[in-house]
Amino acid sequence: RKEVEQDPGPFNVPEGATVAFNCTYSNSASQSFFWYRQDCRKEPKLLMSVYSSGNEDGRFTAQLNRASQYISLLIRDSKLSDSATYLCVVNVLDQAGTALIFGKGTTLSVSS
Amino acid sequence: NAGVTQTPKFQVLKTGQSMTLQCAQDMNHNSMYWYRQDPGMGLRLIYYSASEGTTDKGEVPNGYNVSRLNKREFSLRLESAAPSQTSVYFCASLKGRDYGYTFGSGTRLTVV
Repeated sequence: RKEVEQDPGPFNVPEGATVAFNCTYSNSASQSFFWYRQDCRKEPKLLMSVYSSGNEDGRFTAQLNRASQYISLLIRDSKLSDSATYLCVVNVLDQAGTALIFGKGTTLSVSS
Repeated sequence: NAGVTQTPKFQVLKTGQSMTLQCAQDMNHNSMYWYRQDPGMGLRLIYYSASEGTTDKGEVPNGYNVSRLNKREFSLRLESAAPSQTSVYFCASLKGRDYGYTFGSGTRLTVV
């Protein structure tokens, strides 16, 4: 089983739409969770951390369900500038330290 | 500008040639990482260094070596480049378990 699995893309939505991405992870010991955004041919950039109680940053809402090992990202009122690939990321902690494991990403295309 | 600096940005190698990808961060982070990103494969961890003086293998270490020269610098070496190593390479550093990575802008490597 892949450590981090995401919805297959691409998601094609009109401006103003609400879109949700889902992600599951296999390591129940994971403690930290993130959503990253990656634009074409650019480096990934941290969009938001995901907390157990859920958290919101403007039009973006992230949720975590530890029991189901499930993470979600909701984008409301989509903008053209939201077009990108969204990466679900979880940490893995072992004796050597912390490393982040990335999902393959879900591509979002917002059209006018 | 503060952050993670990677050099070079682009490189073309012939099969069998060697080269070193350089990475430096000025954020005083302990942990540094090298990832490669291939179409359809997502980001895969090559090597990481939890602290100065330590290095550990990630998911795809074969064909690579690393050196954590000091707290700031973490280099990735290809001793004998192969076409399968054609990829985009990202270096990253981590402030701590509950924080996300800061990525460099990437090195686009082509091996012919």
